[in-house]
Amino acid sequence: QVGLQESGPGLLKPSQTLSLTCTVSGASISTGTYFWGWIRQAAGNGLEWVGRIWTSGDPDYNPSLKSRVRILVDTSKSQFSLRLTSVTAADTAVYYCARGHWGMFESWGQGTLVTVSS
Amino acid sequence: EIVLTQSPGTLSLSPGERATLSCRASQYISSTYLAWYQQKPGQAPRLLIYGASSRATGVPARFSGSGSETDFILTISRLEPEDFAVYYCQHYGTSPPIFTFGPGTKVDIK
Repeated sequence: QVGLQESGPGLLKPSQTLSLTCTVSGASISTGTYFWGWIRQAAGNGLEWVGRIWTSGDPDYNPSLKSRVRILVDTSKSQFSLRLTSVTAADTAVYYCARGHWGMFESWGQGTLVTVSS
Repeated sequence: EIVLTQSPGTLSLSPGERATLSCRASQYISSTYLAWYQQKPGQAPRLLIYGASSRATGVPARFSGSGSETDFILTISRLEPEDFAVYYCQHYGTSPPIFTFGPGTKVDIK
């Protein structure tokens, strides 16, 4: 059974860059049938897709974040990462990493809270 | 851009009752790419239904999904205490690739 664990700083100042890593265990990150994604959830709000990446292809990003987001994969470490530049308070959220298949996210990490505050 | 609308916003029911949750798309979507998730407080979402009607691994049979085109339904036949949660529908658009979530329906105890 696949495991996903998010890690990274929990507190950022406005204009800084958010960097999170998701470590995958119990399954190969290189399996071509799966993609790896990030979803976020602001407090009391719904779910917002941030982006996803295939280990063998280009990433796809939410158009509303595309100019600020980058997702990379490191198969040697069984990790994928999220970078979001120029953060503001509106980027404060719980960030989840997840494994996807077809058009859904079938396995999720527990989530990590990122707060943007001066 | 496809927008998903879920109704009702909150559904107050008692254990043992039937829950019917609606997800409506702003335009036709393929049922292949319609999923439902359950989220409990402090937890990550859990995939319940994919392809509009297929249960994910380990999901109890009391959960069922149906629908097509623009209207989709998640039914919980008899609510168990652990089913009180927020439920989200989600669509995957292929061109361009984009994942869209509905705003959620909260099922709480009456």
